[in-house]
Amino acid sequence: NAGVMQNPRHLVRRRGQEARLRCSPMKGHSHVYWYRQLPEEGLKFMVYLQKENIIDESGMPKERFSAEFPKEGPSILRIQQVVRGDSAAYFCASSLTTGLHYEQYFGPGTRLTVT
Amino acid sequence: ELKVEQNPLFLSMQEGKNYTIYCNYSTTSDRLYWYRQDPGKSLESLFVLLSNGAVKQEGRLMASLDTKARLSTLHITAAVHDLSATYFCAVDIGDNNDMRFGAGTRLTVKP
Repeated sequence: NAGVMQNPRHLVRRRGQEARLRCSPMKGHSHVYWYRQLPEEGLKFMVYLQKENIIDESGMPKERFSAEFPKEGPSILRIQQVVRGDSAAYFCASSLTTGLHYEQYFGPGTRLTVT
Repeated sequence: ELKVEQNPLFLSMQEGKNYTIYCNYSTTSDRLYWYRQDPGKSLESLFVLLSNGAVKQEGRLMASLDTKARLSTLHITAAVHDLSATYFCAVDIGDNNDMRFGAGTRLTVKP
């Protein structure tokens, strides 16, 4: 059973460009979470999605950031008009469901560098 | 606003010594997680603590949870160099398995 997959693993963008980060959850998992980790810091929750629905986006910046998890295909985190401050590692995690006995499994992360 | 505070943030210890990392949180939660992260890598799940008084041990690491005190500890026994990493606690804050992370404790074990 393949784990959570993210691609690309490393992404370099110039200021003003768009960044698209992809996350394929573990097989059978329908819940996806995105986190951002700035250098030397902990993970900050961004958004929680189920298939075709955004459940909680309280951690998403109001502008330039969007996320989706379509019925088919991976979850996408999209950052428009990137700025240097967007440079970070972006992790996604997936879970089988919610509730007491399920936990999140993390992907390897995408390291975004904005030049 | 939910706060998850870890201390210390940096820990340098010698091999063979014992130490405890603390994780305090400010909201009611019955679930707490500990993760390990090596530089440039993803997070590896260490422990899932699901109830008050829960204690779990794996090798030289032991984690406990006191939900009344809103405190979890990660105890390291007889540290070895391979334990050098950053350790995060994360608190589950609701039905959606929403997690909020502490800032991490960067552990360095020296020979």
